[in-house]
Amino acid sequence: QKEVEQNSGPLSVPEGAIASLNCTYSDRGSQSFFWYRQYSGKSPELIMSIYSNGDKEDGRFTAQLNKASQYVSLLIRDSQPSDSATYLCALKGSSASKIIFGSGTRLSIRP
Amino acid sequence: KAGVTQTPRYLIKTRGQQVTLSCSPISGHRSVSWYQQTPGQGLQFLFEYFSETQRNKGNFPGRFSGRQFSNSRSEMNVSTLELGDSALYLCASSFTGTQGGEQFFGPGTRLTVL
Repeated sequence: QKEVEQNSGPLSVPEGAIASLNCTYSDRGSQSFFWYRQYSGKSPELIMSIYSNGDKEDGRFTAQLNKASQYVSLLIRDSQPSDSATYLCALKGSSASKIIFGSGTRLSIRP
Repeated sequence: KAGVTQTPRYLIKTRGQQVTLSCSPISGHRSVSWYQQTPGQGLQFLFEYFSETQRNKGNFPGRFSGRQFSNSRSEMNVSTLELGDSALYLCASSFTGTQGGEQFFGPGTRLTVL
């Protein structure tokens, strides 16, 4: 089982709708979780970080963490074409301090 | 506050050569991590330096090495380049390091090995 799993996509969502990106992880002791957005040919950009169970909202973005079920998700409300990118889920595992990245989900917002 | 900078942005080398990449972190950040990104393997962790000491290391051969200077700037070196080393090399800085801290990426150095 991969340490961090994401559906590679592409996930196609109509403009104005809610995009839902999911990530599951294997290490129950993981404490810190991050979502990055990466446009083609660019470097990853930190969107959200979440450390405790529940929801964390920042503008159109909401991160949700459920440690019991070992998943973290990112919701994007009122999706815009500029949201089309690859979204990387990352976490800090319990046994090592390095950050582990998922392989990313490609999101496409269709007008 | 200026972001993470990386130089050079593009490099073309031939097999067997060596290369040195440079990263300047955000002012005040003491941790620098290096990643290799390829279409097939995604984002792979190389190593992390914190206060001039290597704190974590990924599963890469010894041809990949790095160091950090007292001003937190970091360099990464790859010796005896192979075709498979062609990738985007990303540097990320953090205040506290990968121990829970948020990381901010530089623009990357795209290395092509011919």
